[in-house]
Amino acid sequence: QKEVEQNSGPLSVPEGAIASLNCTYSDRVSQSFFWYRQYSGKSPELIMSIYSNGDKEDGRFTAQLNKASQYVSLLIRDSQPSDSATYLCAGMDSSYKLIFGSGTRLLVRP
Amino acid sequence: DTAVSQTPKYLVTQMGNDKSIKCEQNLGHDTMYWYKQDSKKFLKIMFSYNNKELIINETVPNRFSPKSPDKAHLNLHINSLELGDSAVYFCASSHLAGRSYNEQFFGPGTRLTVL
Repeated sequence: QKEVEQNSGPLSVPEGAIASLNCTYSDRVSQSFFWYRQYSGKSPELIMSIYSNGDKEDGRFTAQLNKASQYVSLLIRDSQPSDSATYLCAGMDSSYKLIFGSGTRLLVRP
Repeated sequence: DTAVSQTPKYLVTQMGNDKSIKCEQNLGHDTMYWYKQDSKKFLKIMFSYNNKELIINETVPNRFSPKSPDKAHLNLHINSLELGDSAVYFCASSHLAGRSYNEQFFGPGTRLTVL
């Protein structure tokens, strides 16, 4: 099992819909989790971090962490075409290294 | 502007050459990182420095040598460049190395192409 796994996509949603991005992780990655957005040709931009079980909301973004199922998700409400990007899930291992998934490409159709 | 900056943005060079990439952050962070993003967009850590001390050294060829003159700067020197070194190299910084809640902020990246 890869340490952090994501479906590569693309995930295509219509404008205004909820986009749901998912990530699973192995036992090695258990400390804390981060969602980064990366536009083509640009650097990763941190959009959410989550450290404990449950939901964390910030504007249109909600991160969800379920440690029992080893599952992290990012919900984007009222998706906009400008949300079209690759979303990278990252987890921190016991030596405090960030381990990244390969990313999910999101396309928001106008 | 407070940020992580890198130079150069693009680097095109021949196999066998030696090159350096520079990184500076003015966020007041104490920890800096080098990441490599390959053609499949997979982002992997290479090195990390905390207050000028090397704390993460992944399995990277010893042709790659990081140097941190102070906690705001982290440079990456690459000797004897190979075709497989072609990638985008990102510098990042954070507070609180060794804490599970350290949020890392990335620079704009340096696209290295080895011909």
